[in-house]
Amino acid sequence: AQSVTQLDSQVPVFEEAPVELRCNYSSSVSVYLFWYVQYPNQGLQLLLKYLSGSTLVKGINGFEAEFNKSQTSFHLRKPSVHISDTAEYFCAVSERSAGGTSYGKLTFGQGTILTVHP
Amino acid sequence: DAGITQSPRHKVTETGTPVTLRCHQTENHRYMYWYRQDPGHGLRLIHYSYGVKDTDKGEVSDGYSVSRSKTEDFLLTLESATSSQTSVYFCAISESPLYGYTFGSGTRLTVV
Repeated sequence: AQSVTQLDSQVPVFEEAPVELRCNYSSSVSVYLFWYVQYPNQGLQLLLKYLSGSTLVKGINGFEAEFNKSQTSFHLRKPSVHISDTAEYFCAVSERSAGGTSYGKLTFGQGTILTVHP
Repeated sequence: DAGITQSPRHKVTETGTPVTLRCHQTENHRYMYWYRQDPGHGLRLIHYSYGVKDTDKGEVSDGYSVSRSKTEDFLLTLESATSSQTSVYFCAISESPLYGYTFGSGTRLTVV
């Protein structure tokens, strides 16, 4: 079984400042990693994902994340945030399994609320 | 749009009554999931499906059942609603474990 810990429940930041949202995971097998964003009263949207290869992955809206296997982390970063980035962000993990036997089940972290102030 | 709809969007029901939530997709994706979202818990998997009539339990399946009689519909039933089942319920679909999910807009369920 796997678990995900998002280290900050809330992150306030000023507009145009950089931001990092932290995510650590625990798993006994290799994993796929995802970040989702949820705007108020909406469903979740995929920001980016790490499947294999380069440990730095780029997503939509200028976000990027870096996979660090030794530290079992997948932190999300943006060099300059906008008011419109105010939302809740979720880190998620699924098992990498042969034959698809994990069925793509995602385990989510508790979420980090990013609030961008003018 | 993404081709996934949930109904109803909001529902208030009384303790002890059965409730069914519907998830409908037009993407022909194999995998479908039901999650509940509660403050401080993120999203937790209730049940999932990997094909017609192929379903299995997630981590918080007690008090819930599901059915998938055709590819496009995945129904979640609360057998006898309790106040602890007050939550926002999200359906998600996926073509492959590699692609991540597409989420519906959610159903806000209140059990009084």
